[in-house]
Amino acid sequence: AQSVTQLDSQVPVFEEAPVELRCNYSSSVSVYLFWYVQYPNQGLQLLLKYLSGSTLVKGINGFEAEFNKSQTSFHLRKPSVHISDTAEYFCASTGGGNKLTFGTGTQLKVEL
Amino acid sequence: NAGVMQNPRHLVRRRGQEARLRCSPVKGHSHVYWYRQLPEEGLKFMVYLQKENIIDESGMPKERFSAEFPKEGPSILRIQQVVRGDSAAYFCASSPPGGATNTIYFGEGSWLTVV
Repeated sequence: AQSVTQLDSQVPVFEEAPVELRCNYSSSVSVYLFWYVQYPNQGLQLLLKYLSGSTLVKGINGFEAEFNKSQTSFHLRKPSVHISDTAEYFCASTGGGNKLTFGTGTQLKVEL
Repeated sequence: NAGVMQNPRHLVRRRGQEARLRCSPVKGHSHVYWYRQLPEEGLKFMVYLQKENIIDESGMPKERFSAEFPKEGPSILRIQQVVRGDSAAYFCASSPPGGATNTIYFGEGSWLTVV
């Protein structure tokens, strides 16, 4: 069975500072990994996904994530955040089927 | 959000009433998914449908909840005899055939409030 853990429920950060949102997964089979962003009262927007190949994945809005099989992690990073990045971020996985398993989310709050 | 349309966006129901949530997938997508987001929690999978078929309903509560995706028209998530605990955001998503290598697109959600 798939499971996804996001250890940080909230991450405060100052504008223009770097940020890392942590995600760990567990799976007994090959795994595909995703990061989604949710702005208040809106749906989820895909930031990036890892299916195979290069372990460093670049996404939209300057975000990137690195797949680390030995540490079963897929942390999301951005070198310099903006106020507009304030949102909820969800890590998700699937074992190749169509059912996504989500983490509980990390609220990123960017402050001036 | 690539065209997944959900309505209504907000719905208020009294306990015991029925709630119907509609989802029109992205044009050309034959796979539809419903997820529920309870306050302060992540999204939980409910059901996966293809046209006229339920593929996986392992996340659906055993009673009062049903879903369909008819040959024509939108997918419907139906909740009968709603209770306060059904208050949540319900998200629909769609994808083309092909499994997880295809991006799953989410709608903007339907917020159900049971009073």
